[in-house]
Amino acid sequence: DTEVTQTPKHLVMGMTNKKSLKCEQHMGHRAMYWYKQKAKKPPELMFVYSYEKLSINESVPSRFSPECPNSSLLNLHLHALQPEDSALYLCASSQAGVETQYFGPGTRLLVL
Amino acid sequence: QKEVEQNSGPLSVPEGAIASLNCTYSDRGSQSFFWYRQYSGKSPELIMFIYSNGDKEDGRFTAQLNKASQYVSLLIRDSQPSDSATYLCAFRGGQNFVFGPGTRLSVLP
Repeated sequence: DTEVTQTPKHLVMGMTNKKSLKCEQHMGHRAMYWYKQKAKKPPELMFVYSYEKLSINESVPSRFSPECPNSSLLNLHLHALQPEDSALYLCASSQAGVETQYFGPGTRLLVL
Repeated sequence: QKEVEQNSGPLSVPEGAIASLNCTYSDRGSQSFFWYRQYSGKSPELIMFIYSNGDKEDGRFTAQLNKASQYVSLLIRDSQPSDSATYLCAFRGGQNFVFGPGTRLSVLP
């Protein structure tokens, strides 16, 4: 089973709202990733967690706050977002030491 | 700067033909390379990965890697309309996972 799940599928939020995106995998993977993808562009890496510790933060604005409560869960907390943050947010996971990443279905975010 | 380049397309091929997708990369230290397929509005789906120079075949798909030329390709034999999608090349550069811009493939019935 190579399933990564993400909730919600769609999210509309105002610029003053606080919301969270959730990602879950039960494949025993120890690395988890958040990507942002704009239309007709490739995914852009935002954060990497390895063994539940943040190992990469690609200079992402502080209005995005990742959290890894345990090895199966990854959250992305959103606060005071801008309309340009509207995008597809993708979660992925991989075995530690194995680079192949498996993606979840994504959350389509619209910031008004 | 770790970069991946792909022809953005669209690449149009008739049904049943071979589609050839190409990718070049700049990081000579890269060891692992991936091809993902992405349908419009969906998330990327892994097609193949390749680590060693040469060819790797999986069904209708063949990945080819030439590290000396910093070149990786994907061949799709007997192309089907359902293969119409954007194909993303990616490589591992250190801890980063770098995607190319993608090539849009259109298979015409």
